[in-house]
Amino acid sequence: DVKVTQSSRYLVKRTGEKVFLECVQDMDHENMFWYRQDPGLGLRLIYFSYDVKMKEKGDIPEGYSVSREKKERFSLILESASTNQTSMYLCASSLSVYPYTQYFGPGTRLTVL
Amino acid sequence: KQEVTQIPAALSVPEGENLVLNCSFTDSAIYNLQWFRQDPGKGLTSLLLIQSSQREQTSGRLNASLDKSSGRSTLYIAASQPGDSATYLCAVGAQGGSEKLVFGKGTKLTVNP
Repeated sequence: DVKVTQSSRYLVKRTGEKVFLECVQDMDHENMFWYRQDPGLGLRLIYFSYDVKMKEKGDIPEGYSVSREKKERFSLILESASTNQTSMYLCASSLSVYPYTQYFGPGTRLTVL
Repeated sequence: KQEVTQIPAALSVPEGENLVLNCSFTDSAIYNLQWFRQDPGKGLTSLLLIQSSQREQTSGRLNASLDKSSGRSTLYIAASQPGDSATYLCAVGAQGGSEKLVFGKGTKLTVNP
């Protein structure tokens, strides 16, 4: 079975802190994704990576950056956390061949105070 | 821009009832459609994936159908159980080589014993 893990289930940070969210997948998937999920807004794509060191902006990249130095690991970075970044963050991965089934991690609930 | 709508937003049924969840999308040029389940505070679990050339997929008590021409998909759950209580999300993959998914906001299902 595909396994996608995220470094923390719950995280509490202060405004202005630099925050790292880590995601690791064990199935040699080329594609990795970061989403945030908010009530009433659903899942929105923040960033997408289709290969090591390759990335593409999603729908809401402002305030975020990403890093993918190894194929299995995709990091989401909040350069200076703000209260409006309080959310559930979900990581996913998929192969780069059809039908691109996405597999999700358990999520990180981030609270910025 | 692709938009995905799920109606109703919430549904409550008695145990044992057969039920249908609806998903509609605005652009029929999709390469797949995926149904997910999400338990409270957790990540997404893939239930069924329908490729663009298929009309339906079945897994146990679940059956998902796809009508691309009308921009609709349904998820049929037979003989519902309290353990089926969760939020069900529909997501479509756009054509044009993109592996990214566009999500609906989900239907929250409650099955009462």
